[in-house]
Amino acid sequence: AAGVIQSPRHLIKEKRETATLKCYPIPRHDTVYWYQQGPGQDPQFLISFYEKMQSDKGSIPDRFSAQQFSDYHSELNMSSLELGDSALYFCASSYPQGYTGELFFGEGSRLTVL
Amino acid sequence: DAKTTQPTSMDCAEGRAANLPCNHSTISGNEYVYWYRQIHSQGPQYIIHGLKNNETNEMASLIITEDRKSSTLILPHATLRDTAVYYCIVVVPDTGANSKLTFGKGITLSVRP
Repeated sequence: AAGVIQSPRHLIKEKRETATLKCYPIPRHDTVYWYQQGPGQDPQFLISFYEKMQSDKGSIPDRFSAQQFSDYHSELNMSSLELGDSALYFCASSYPQGYTGELFFGEGSRLTVL
Repeated sequence: DAKTTQPTSMDCAEGRAANLPCNHSTISGNEYVYWYRQIHSQGPQYIIHGLKNNETNEMASLIITEDRKSSTLILPHATLRDTAVYYCIVVVPDTGANSKLTFGKGITLSVRP
């Protein structure tokens, strides 16, 4: 079965650079969530989109922005990167019909800021 | 404020049952109990969820106390591949908005040979 696809899997950037992470949800899933997991930390919710509209917002820095496109894929844009942005970024998706609260997570994108 | 509390870690022998406890004493009537796990640096994986009845699937069983203030996740025959951080989360499942999961401090399960 198709899973949540994230790209790139690994990314290395310098301080003050920008980075874009992409997430392709499972087909027919209309809700996308972004999480950030720093070293030794638990996943922290950043932002979510439902039917291409922002549905919830967590601890997402102002330097970050995200959107969901018409094909339901989502992109997380990060600017003025800082060392502390080095983390695993997970995307998850869910579907509305027969919704059980189950989120399907991708394998993550590892961002390293030097 | 954390909605759930879990021990920091536990271990069990391979092939034995692993019983992972979770306290959620302030759970509200419409909140479900969800369990997810995260194997090292992989994306979190859904295991099971329930409201008040005990639940079982191919991965695990979930036992919820009658007052719903605590629950136990049971892995009936733990294997080395079950070594992971297990998260107990209470949430109201909702389509669209307000359906995010908030991960707290999970429990690290170590399965020993």
